[in-house]
Amino acid sequence: GAVVSQHPSRVICKSGTSVKIECRSLDFQATTMFWYRQFPKQSLMLMATSNEGSKATYEQGVEKDKFLINHASLTLSTLTVTSAHPEDSSFYICSADGQGKNIQYFGAGTRLSVL
Amino acid sequence: KQEVTQIPAALSVPEGENLVLNCSFTDSAIYNLQWFRQDPGKGLTSLLLIQSSQREQTSGRLNASLDKSSGRSTLYIAASQPGDSATYLCAVKGSGNTPLVFGKGTRLSVIA
Repeated sequence: GAVVSQHPSRVICKSGTSVKIECRSLDFQATTMFWYRQFPKQSLMLMATSNEGSKATYEQGVEKDKFLINHASLTLSTLTVTSAHPEDSSFYICSADGQGKNIQYFGAGTRLSVL
Repeated sequence: KQEVTQIPAALSVPEGENLVLNCSFTDSAIYNLQWFRQDPGKGLTSLLLIQSSQREQTSGRLNASLDKSSGRSTLYIAASQPGDSATYLCAVKGSGNTPLVFGKGTRLSVIA
């Protein structure tokens, strides 16, 4: 099956630093990737939809200047959490839409802890 | 806007019991429905995917049904085992490049 690689799996950083998370589709091209966030004991909430070659579409309440998304190629999308604060600590997970299959393949997630 | 509800929020059963997890969604115009398993602190494991034209899917001890018109799906787990303990998430997908919409999950504990 299709594989989505997400890196890093875990990151601990100081407040005020920026963190970049990568999401790669390894054996297929993904014109669309999605970024979700999951707080403890909560479900996955969509943050933004990332389309290759165009600006990301952010969900209501998600700051686009804080969560920078770049989808420069058909196999890579990145999420940068700028000036991270403790309240940004969460589990971030990406998914890629398999071309023409209407199936989303998920990365393993990134656990961000901001001290 | 699509909303997905899962009942119960948590469930504890003794080993060996058969159990049913429920999922309902407000907009029946879905393309597919998926059940996932999530272990604490881990990512998602896809269990079963049901296309909108299908009524059920089976994998081992798991059986998922879909009643699209009534906006319901169930996940049936037969002969539960302690290793089944996890959070089970239901998610639905609309057509096109639309994201999955997740329910809040059911936390299952199977007691040995």
